[in-house]
Amino acid sequence: EIVMTQSPTTLSVSPGERATLSCRASQSLNNNLAWYQQKPGQAPRLLIYGASTRATGIPARFSGSGSGAEFTLTISSLQSEDFAIYYCQQYNIWPPYTFGQGTKLEIK
Amino acid sequence: QVHLVESGGGLVKPGGSLRLSCAASGFTLSDYYMSWIRQTPGKGLEWVSHISRGGATTFYADSVKGRFTISRDNAKNSLYLQMNSLRVEDTAVYYCARDQSYSWFDPWGQGTLVTVSS
Repeated sequence: EIVMTQSPTTLSVSPGERATLSCRASQSLNNNLAWYQQKPGQAPRLLIYGASTRATGIPARFSGSGSGAEFTLTISSLQSEDFAIYYCQQYNIWPPYTFGQGTKLEIK
Repeated sequence: QVHLVESGGGLVKPGGSLRLSCAASGFTLSDYYMSWIRQTPGKGLEWVSHISRGGATTFYADSVKGRFTISRDNAKNSLYLQMNSLRVEDTAVYYCARDQSYSWFDPWGQGTLVTVSS
């Protein structure tokens, strides 16, 4: 089973600033990585797939990068609606699909 | 508009059974693989089960193998999860999600809460 580790657990950033979230896999993923955003009381929403492709309707301030086993989600110029929990998920080797434990992005 | 709506959650005693349903709309269910994913405060997001477009192929997490059964009725645009021999640790919000061909999940339903407690 591929283990996904996200860092930091909590990230405090001011509105308008840039946020950088990290996701590390226990082995190489061939870019088979997705990112999700979850707000309180809501289901996760797909942001990024293929490590760097934005899903339909996702603003350009969200970008994904990385390769191998190290990946980054960057949110440029944070908006109030971006404060949420973010999860990464690998689909390179499954079953099982596995998720990171999440990074909570909070307002500084 | 693509939409998934789960139902069937509730309170059940350890050892009991529950059947979750997921109603799909806005797309042709038979064109897509589907999965169930659960979420707990302690373990986070955990993929539970996957089913192929026609229903012939299924996969399960080790934690539920032999106790849970995924199925689908494409004619009724519905996905199901039969959960037997429930344990306290199965307590979670259960989501159905469209599985983009052995890859990412989009969209997800709003979730249904299953509580296993005596």
